[in-house]
Amino acid sequence: QKEVEQNSGPLSVPEGAIASLNCTYSDRGSQSFFWYRQYSGKSPELIMSIYSNGDKEDGRFTAQLNKASQYVSLLIRDSQPSDSATYLCAVKRQGGSEKLVFGKGMKLTVNP
Amino acid sequence: GAVVSQHPSRVICKSGTSVKIECRSLDFQATTMFWYRQFPKQSLMLMATSNEGSKATYEQGVEKDKFLINHASLTLSTLTVTSAHPEDSSFYICSARGRGYTFGSGTRLTVV
Repeated sequence: QKEVEQNSGPLSVPEGAIASLNCTYSDRGSQSFFWYRQYSGKSPELIMSIYSNGDKEDGRFTAQLNKASQYVSLLIRDSQPSDSATYLCAVKRQGGSEKLVFGKGMKLTVNP
Repeated sequence: GAVVSQHPSRVICKSGTSVKIECRSLDFQATTMFWYRQFPKQSLMLMATSNEGSKATYEQGVEKDKFLINHASLTLSTLTVTSAHPEDSSFYICSARGRGYTFGSGTRLTVV
């Protein structure tokens, strides 16, 4: 099992719809979880971080964390064509290492 | 907010030469910086973790003598690709650990 798994997609949704992106992780002791957005040819930019179970909302974005089931998801409401990008899930494992483990990313296309 | 400056954004070099990439945290001190490489349509691959004042920790399979990392201050880390070859052509991205993880804008390296 890979440390951080995302469905490779791609995912295509119409404008205005809800896009749902999922991620599972293998290290049960992981503490910190991040969603990054990466446009083609650009570096990743942070969308959301979440550290405790439950939902965290920021504008049209909601991150959901369920540590018991070891998954974290990102919901994008009222999807816009500008949301079209690759979304990367990243996890900081327990222990002293500060490094993030990334999933392979999910390419999202929002169709006008 | 946290800003990480990475230079150059693009570089073309001849095979056999060396290229230095700089990564600076502009408004915060970063005790830890990370260097990633990303090939087209693939996810980020962590190359090494650098801590200020100490030797970098390289991921398995990354040649430390080829990819020299220096983290001389709390705001500057450099990656030098030595004796570059065409297969080193890639997108190199740094990330700095402050309150969160902030990415530089990336360096597109082309070795001809």
